Amino acid sequence: ELKVEQNPLFLSMQEGKNYTIYCNYSTTSDRLYWYRQDPGKSLESLFVLLSNGAVKQEGRLMASLDTKARLSTLHITAAVHDLSATYFCAVDRNNDMRFGAGTRLTVKP
Amino acid sequence: KAGVTQTPRYLIKTRGQQVTLSCSPISGHRSVSWYQQTPGQGLQFLFEYFSETQRNKGNFPGRFSGRQFSNSRSEMNVSTLELGDSALYLCASRKRTSEPPFYGYTFGSGTRLTVV
Repeated sequence: ELKVEQNPLFLSMQEGKNYTIYCNYSTTSDRLYWYRQDPGKSLESLFVLLSNGAVKQEGRLMASLDTKARLSTLHITAAVHDLSATYFCAVDRNNDMRFGAGTRLTVKP
Repeated sequence: KAGVTQTPRYLIKTRGQQVTLSCSPISGHRSVSWYQQTPGQGLQFLFEYFSETQRNKGNFPGRFSGRQFSNSRSEMNVSTLELGDSALYLCASRKRTSEPPFYGYTFGSGTRLTVV
């Protein structure tokens, strides 16, 4: 069974600092996605990563994929308060998408 | 363009009752998936429908069922409600494809179900 693990589950960081969220998955996958969820809101798609070594960046967020290690990372650079949200990775295998537990990120001034 | 529409937004039901939730996907999206979100269990996959057929199913009891209509709209039904069924139920749609470009899910705003 496809399992997806994220860590940390909770992350409190200061504005201006850098940090990385990790996403491990148990079997080979076709695609990996990152989503963001603001409190009380639905999920918003951030990135889709297709192949080994893929890197996507938007603003202060950069996602990468290592298919051999079955690992994706979401790196946050110089965090700002607006990035406070819950971030989910999701692994898609044969059109079956499973989500990690999410990382609740709080950026403090 | 219109997003994924879920109705109702909020629902309060009594234990033992049944409930039906509705989801209208984005036009052109034929894949619809349902997820249950709770603080303790996170996002749990319920099932996916594509072309009116259930393609994948998560580990939920048979009280949870769904269907998809020819216009891709989907409903999920929960019978004999239990307190533990209280959750945010999210519907997501996408173009299901095995060739690029690949699409992530677009999620609806969810139906918050409270069982009392």
